[in-house]
Amino acid sequence: NAGVMQNPRHLVRRRGQEARLRCSPMKGHSHVYWYRQLPEEGLKFMVYLQKENIIDESGMPKERFSAEFPKEGPSILRIQQVVRGDSAAYFCASSPSAIQYFGPGTRLLVL
Amino acid sequence: AQKVTQAQTEISVVEKEDVTLDCVYETRDTTYYLFWYKQPPSGELVFLIRRNSFDEQNEISGRYSWNFQKSTSSFNFTITASQVVDSAVYFCALSTPPDGANSKLTFGKGITLSVRP
Repeated sequence: NAGVMQNPRHLVRRRGQEARLRCSPMKGHSHVYWYRQLPEEGLKFMVYLQKENIIDESGMPKERFSAEFPKEGPSILRIQQVVRGDSAAYFCASSPSAIQYFGPGTRLLVL
Repeated sequence: AQKVTQAQTEISVVEKEDVTLDCVYETRDTTYYLFWYKQPPSGELVFLIRRNSFDEQNEISGRYSWNFQKSTSSFNFTITASQVVDSAVYFCALSTPPDGANSKLTFGKGITLSVRP
């Protein structure tokens, strides 16, 4: 059983471009979470999704960020018009119930 | 609101020493879950343990042990006879699900453990 997959592992964008981060949960897991890890900080919750539904987006910035988990395919975290402050590691986790299993993360660098 | 405090930021020990990583949490909920995750230099997050608020039994897994004390709101992690491979950042986390068990995790800032040979 493959673990949580995230791609790309590294992403470089220039200011103003769009970043799309993908997360494929573990087989059988219907809950997906996104977290952001800024340098020298712990992980901060962004959004919790189930298939076709956003359950909790209390940690999402109000502008430029969106997330989806369609019926088919991976979950996508989308950042529009990236700024330097968006540079961080973005982790996805999936869960069958109480324990969240994390992917390897996507390191986003905004130049 | 939930909060997790890991007051130690960096710890350095020599191989074979025992080391305890502290975690203090705050929540008004009576039902909650506590977690420890390990982030080795390669960057991924590895699940270590989950504890619910009704189970104060201490747990031991090989060289790892956890001490949960509700009276002091602490969930400390001890590594016995540390090894170089234990070098990593260790995160303590808390979740307070409104129903069932699915909810966001609130993380501490992490403790960087360096084990020297």
